Amino acid sequence: DGGITQSPKYLFRKEGQNVTLSCEQNLNHDAMYWYRQDPGQGLRLIYYSQIVNDFQKGDIAEGYSVSREKKESFPLTVTSAQKNPTAFYLCASSMGLLAGGYNEQFFGPGTRLTVL
Amino acid sequence: KQEVTQIPAALSVPEGENLVLNCSFTDSAIYNLQWFRQDPGKGLTSLLLIQSSQREQTSGRLNASLDKSSGRSTLYIAASQPGDSATYLCAVRQWNYGQNFVFGPGTRLSVLP
Repeated sequence: DGGITQSPKYLFRKEGQNVTLSCEQNLNHDAMYWYRQDPGQGLRLIYYSQIVNDFQKGDIAEGYSVSREKKESFPLTVTSAQKNPTAFYLCASSMGLLAGGYNEQFFGPGTRLTVL
Repeated sequence: KQEVTQIPAALSVPEGENLVLNCSFTDSAIYNLQWFRQDPGKGLTSLLLIQSSQREQTSGRLNASLDKSSGRSTLYIAASQPGDSATYLCAVRQWNYGQNFVFGPGTRLSVLP
């Protein structure tokens, strides 16, 4: 059963703590993405990775960090430098453009992060 | 920089109506356009994907069209049902700017029984 999993579903963070959100995919996709969604707003890109061991900043990367050591995994760390981290975080994946084809983007179920 | 807008922001219709959701984008250098559905507190579910060389795609009661030259796409929902109530988002995948997806803010649809 192919898809994208995110864990945990809900996460609570105290001020000053770093937390890591997990994202795993078994779709054999090269590209993976992290988005942030605030109430009533669209998705904003945090980081993306088109290939293993490479990643790029999106529009709102400040206060976040990522790694891409395996094709299947793209964890996101929300650091204490992120001033307003309370939001809904969505992970997605797709084939890279060089692979051709439809390049449809698939999403995980999301992690809701709340700062206490 | 690519910008994607969606009109209307919210829509409420009685069950059975046909309806149209609009998506506009500023840069026509796109690889494809994808329509998604999002239920409250959930991830996004892909509805339809249109390649830049295509004019439309259909799936069941849904039909999406693409006019790349004018920077517009429409999602047509036939015979709406209460189960169609959700937020609908469009996203374009760009050839430029890291080949990423840029999302519109969404249209919140309520179908009343």
